[in-house]
Amino acid sequence: GENVEQHPSTLSVQEGDSAVIKCTYSDSASNYFPWYKQELGKRPQLIIDIRSNVGEKKDQRIAVTLNKTAKHFSLHITETQPEDSAVYFCAAIAGGGADGLTFGKGTHLIIQP
Amino acid sequence: EAGVTQFPSHSVIEKGQTVTLRCDPISGHDNLYWYRRVMGKEIKFLLHFVKESKQDESGMPNNRFLAERTGGTYSTLKVQPAELEDSGVYFCASSFSGVSYEQYFGPGTRLTVT
Repeated sequence: GENVEQHPSTLSVQEGDSAVIKCTYSDSASNYFPWYKQELGKRPQLIIDIRSNVGEKKDQRIAVTLNKTAKHFSLHITETQPEDSAVYFCAAIAGGGADGLTFGKGTHLIIQP
Repeated sequence: EAGVTQFPSHSVIEKGQTVTLRCDPISGHDNLYWYRRVMGKEIKFLLHFVKESKQDESGMPNNRFLAERTGGTYSTLKVQPAELEDSGVYFCASSFSGVSYEQYFGPGTRLTVT
């Protein structure tokens, strides 16, 4: 089955700087890669996703890149703000897209004022 | 539009007792998923319903866990008898086939087995 590795487990950046979180996956059949943000005590919320036919996707300060050959994808957050502090999870799905998600272990992003 | 709801938000039970968690997906969503996050670890997939049918239950830990989805609407997850290692946060998510792959998560049920 699919295995998703996520690094780092904790990331501390100064407000205004950029943050990058990296994930690798094992199943070459995986074709959908969402990123979820979970604030303390709240539900995971989708912040951006990418499908395997696209190499990069951007939404304001957030971008995701995908390298299918190397089987890794990354989340980039620019101009970080205090409200970006949360746990971020990457995930992957193989098959038709309606399958269960395989998650990475999460990255605790801390924005230092 | 109401989001995914889960009940209860917290449950504290003793080892050996039974607990039933409930999930109400977004109206019209045919896919319903259960996940679990054990303290400090990743969110792990448990099972997937399409309408009332179990599409994939490969993530269910053992036969102490029983999930149902009556009439393809809400779902329940029963743990009987509960063990200490069952403690964690149980999330439910739903999605609508054919529109996007996005899964919408509920707020979770925090289960503590003592």
